[in-house]
Amino acid sequence: GENVEQHPSTLSVQEGDSAVIKCTYSDSASNYFPWYKQELGKRPQLIIDIRSNVGEKKDQRIAVTLNKTAKHFSLHITETQPEDSAVYFCAASINNQGGKLIFGQGTELSVKP
Amino acid sequence: GAVVSQHPSWVICKSGTSVKIECRSLDFQATTMFWYRQFPKQSLMLMATSNEGSKATYEQGVEKDKFLINHASLTLSTLTVTSAHPEDSSFYICSAPSGNGYTFGSGTRLTVV
Repeated sequence: GENVEQHPSTLSVQEGDSAVIKCTYSDSASNYFPWYKQELGKRPQLIIDIRSNVGEKKDQRIAVTLNKTAKHFSLHITETQPEDSAVYFCAASINNQGGKLIFGQGTELSVKP
Repeated sequence: GAVVSQHPSWVICKSGTSVKIECRSLDFQATTMFWYRQFPKQSLMLMATSNEGSKATYEQGVEKDKFLINHASLTLSTLTVTSAHPEDSSFYICSAPSGNGYTFGSGTRLTVV
């Protein structure tokens, strides 16, 4: 089955700097790659997603890139702010079949003022 | 948008008792529901997949006789933790494919004393 690896597990940046979180997946059939932000005790919140027919997607300060050949995808946050501090999860699924969503291990991002 | 209502949000039970967690899709039909467990500072681990009208599919290492899943209708899936023990204390959350992504319930914090 699908396996998603996420790095780093913790990331500390200064306010205004960029943050990059990387994930790899194992199942070449996966075609949907969402990123979630989760606050303690809350449900994951979708911040951006990308499908396998696209190599890059951007939404204001957040961007995601996908390399299907290498089975890598990354989250890029620019101009980080203290409120970006949270735990971020990548995930992968075969979404057009309503497939199960497999999560990476998570990255705890800390943005220092 | 799609909403999955999960109840209860938190529950405390005595060791050896059973606890039922419900997830209802409020404005769409959820033919599939994914159930996750999340321990503190860890990722969301898929436990099982329920499909309306058929038996649930359990991930490797998850005891199907301990975690009973029922998906009797297109809007309701339930997870029953039977003979709960302190090690079952965790955050349980459901998720259903919806639209172009997934909709999560709000989660249930289970504490077994």
